[in-house]
Amino acid sequence: DQQVKQNSPSLSVQEGRISILNCDYTNSMFDYFLWYKKYPAEGPTFLISISSIKDKNEDGRFTVFLNKSAKHLSLHIVPSQPGDSAVYFCAATLGTSGSRLTFGEGTQLTVNP
Amino acid sequence: DAGVIQSPRHEVTEMGQEVTLRCKPISGHNSLFWYRQTMMRGLELLIYFNNNVPIDDSGMPEDRFSAKMPNASFSTLKIQPSEPRDSAVYFCASRKTGLALNTGELFFGEGSRLTVL
Repeated sequence: DQQVKQNSPSLSVQEGRISILNCDYTNSMFDYFLWYKKYPAEGPTFLISISSIKDKNEDGRFTVFLNKSAKHLSLHIVPSQPGDSAVYFCAATLGTSGSRLTFGEGTQLTVNP
Repeated sequence: DAGVIQSPRHEVTEMGQEVTLRCKPISGHNSLFWYRQTMMRGLELLIYFNNNVPIDDSGMPEDRFSAKMPNASFSTLKIQPSEPRDSAVYFCASRKTGLALNTGELFFGEGSRLTVL
């Protein structure tokens, strides 16, 4: 029972263009959503998050959009840079201090120079 | 500052052998998590501890898997006997209980890549 799904295992974009990574969830109780970034041979690191009371959160080149009715969120990276090439994990949790993060399968982003 | 430290980084073993993965959380963190990464399921939570006490082990696949946290600075994940389907990257993560996850206060180690032949 995969409660958080990332249906695209990979995405390739050109440097300078927009990267859009998508994530769907099934549990309507989730109220915080996070994106983690993972480079090869490293652990995942936190990138950006959004509360269910918002529909957008922006941090520099990274913006996360949340569509609660569709149970869908997306991460936009503009402009994309080769250093953004990594695996991106979407995650969801109940409450900000909850102990359980539920992750998706991950999407491998490749930004070509 | 030292992050979450895991060992070994790579382990290759034969089916039926015992495997022990180790984790040292960040000093001062009182919650510790074991995750497994596979292509099909992404990052799955296996078990987590608060103040050295196992809180939720519902993600542990089966009885072959066990985890311990004898003190605040050390945890082990053991697989006995190991099987080829256990091949994955195992991550340990830690944080201070109660700090908001949405501010990024969950820190992962670099992972232990396990290959069971």
